[in-house]
Amino acid sequence: SQQGEEDPQALSIQEGENATMNCSYKTSINNLQWYRQNSGRGLVHLILIRSNEREKHSGRLRVTLDTSKKSSSLLITASRAADTASYFCGIGANNLFFGTGTRLTVIP
Amino acid sequence: EAQVTQNPRYLITVTGKKLTVTCSQNMNHEYMSWYRQDPGLGLRQIYYSMNVEVTDKGDVPEGYKVSRKEKRNFPLILESPSPNQTSLYFCASSLTLPGLPGGAFFGQGTRLTVV
Repeated sequence: SQQGEEDPQALSIQEGENATMNCSYKTSINNLQWYRQNSGRGLVHLILIRSNEREKHSGRLRVTLDTSKKSSSLLITASRAADTASYFCGIGANNLFFGTGTRLTVIP
Repeated sequence: EAQVTQNPRYLITVTGKKLTVTCSQNMNHEYMSWYRQDPGLGLRQIYYSMNVEVTDKGDVPEGYKVSRKEKRNFPLILESPSPNQTSLYFCASSLTLPGLPGGAFFGQGTRLTVV
């Protein structure tokens, strides 16, 4: 299967703390993407990391990629209540495959 | 505003009554696709289209049809809906392939209930 698997399934933290979620996959990749989904809404693209990159930043987001371990992590620093959402990694080129996501709850 | 628009947002229907969920994008994207999202199963791709008149099956195409007669529209057709098609449906589009920089744009979702 090409889909990624996000871990943990659920994460609850206090506002201001950092949140880390992980994605593991089985196939070789060119790129890996992270998306956010607010409850019942469509996914929103956050960041893409290429297979030759090890780390990428965008605002409070930091993504790492370890192709030898076939894993990626998404770190959200100084979390806010508005970061409460589900987060998915997207794998694939011609099509995107997603797992079941990590549900993040940020408590004010 | 660049967007993917799905209609309707909510739909309750009865088993066997044909329905169409529309999807339209205003970004001149070549690629469009449909997903369904179910608890514990994540998002699964139903059909995708790489360009006008080109469609292909995703992971769960049974019970669904699509067409791509125009670049901007990609309707999802359920000829004879069944209760196991009760789900949250998303349309997505991308300029070229969704795995390339830029990623995919998703619609707001259609929550379908088949009774």
